Order: sequence, then structure tokens, then C-alpha cells
Amino acid sequence: AQSVTQLGSHVSVSEGALVLLRCNYSSSVPPYLFWYVQYPNQGLQLLLKYTSAATLVKGINGFEAEFKKSETSFHLTKPSAHMSDAAEYFCAVRLQRGYNKLIFGAGTRLAVHP
Amino acid sequence: DTEVTQTPKHLVMGMTNKKSLKCEQHMGHRAMYWYKQKAKKPPELMFVYSYEKLSINESVPSRFSPECPNSSLLNLHLHALQPEDSALYLCASSQTPEREQETQYFGPGTRLLVL
Repeated sequence: AQSVTQLGSHVSVSEGALVLLRCNYSSSVPPYLFWYVQYPNQGLQLLLKYTSAATLVKGINGFEAEFKKSETSFHLTKPSAHMSDAAEYFCAVRLQRGYNKLIFGAGTRLAVHP
Repeated sequence: DTEVTQTPKHLVMGMTNKKSLKCEQHMGHRAMYWYKQKAKKPPELMFVYSYEKLSINESVPSRFSPECPNSSLLNLHLHALQPEDSALYLCASSQTPEREQETQYFGPGTRLLVL
């Protein structure tokens, strides 16, 4: 069965520091992976997605993620954190062909302090 | 425009009430979704509509009744809810239901409180 695991329910960084949010997937077939961000009291917004076209995926707001098959990982990074990046981040995997469903990880809350 | 709208933003209802949540998109998407999100938890899929037909029901209690009157509109009818149904209800849409790499676009949600 396909699933994602997000390591670290809370991550705290200083403004200007590197952001690294971890996501590992489990899948017997090449997965479709997504990162979404949720700001307080809002819906989810797509940051980026992996669709096998390229292993390094660039998204919005300066975020990027690298698909590493050997490590079954799809970690989200941003070189320099901004206060506005404080939010909940969800990694998700699309289930196999024919079943139209996203499976979300538990989420990582990112705090950015001055 | 990648906007999914949801109304109302907030809803308080008693356990004997009947209410409806509304979701709308004008992107020509043919797949629409309802998710439930409890506090500090990830969204959980409830229903999927593909080409205006219910294709997935994730064993949701019958007190939740979805409806897709047309390709742009998705409703969730609520009746005899329980306090544990209090949550953020998110609607999403995607261009087609078949392609695995399709992005799901989410609305801002309706925050429901059942008293």
C-alpha cells in the first residue's frame, strides 16, 4: 500500500535559515508526490509536485524538493526561511492508477522565529 | 483562475438541524472532492465525484449526503450530525479524475461546529 511519513511534527527555524521538511514514501510503483501548505484557517495550496519528469522539482515561494528513489524520500527545502513561511506542510501521495485519492502525511508545523 | 469557493465559511448547527455546505469551481474541472480535517490532523477523503457521478465514498456515515447538481457545483448535505463531526470541511477539484499527476485545488473550507 502507498503511504507517506513526515518526520518531525514540529520544525522551528530562524528567519534566513535553511528549511528542511522530511517526507518518505512507501510505494511499489513510481509514485506521484505532492507538497501542500496550509496557512492558519485556510485551505491547502499546492507548493509543488513530482510527476517523474525531473527529480528536482521547483515550486512556489522559493521551495523545492528532490525525489530520491534510493532513499524513498521527497524532502522539501527552502534556502532562506521567511516569517511568512510559518504554516502547516503536508506531503501527499496519489494512490495507484484507477483510484483517485490523495493520501496525506501527518503534517509538519513550521515555526519561523526572528 | 484556480479558485474553488466554499460557503459558508463558518457554520454552527445543532444535532437536529439540517444544513448544507456548498462548493463551486469554474475551471471546467470534472472531478470534485470532499475532505474532512480535524484539528491538527491531515485531510481525510470523504467523497469523490467524477463527471458528476459519485465514484468514491470512503465509508462515510449517511448523515453526510453529497450531491453534484452540475459540473461546477458540489454540495454536502448535513443531517443529525454529532459533536464529533465538528471539523474543517474542504472541497477540492481537479481537471480529470484519471490522470495521476493531476493537481487537486482546494477551497478555503467551511469550519463546522456541531453543538
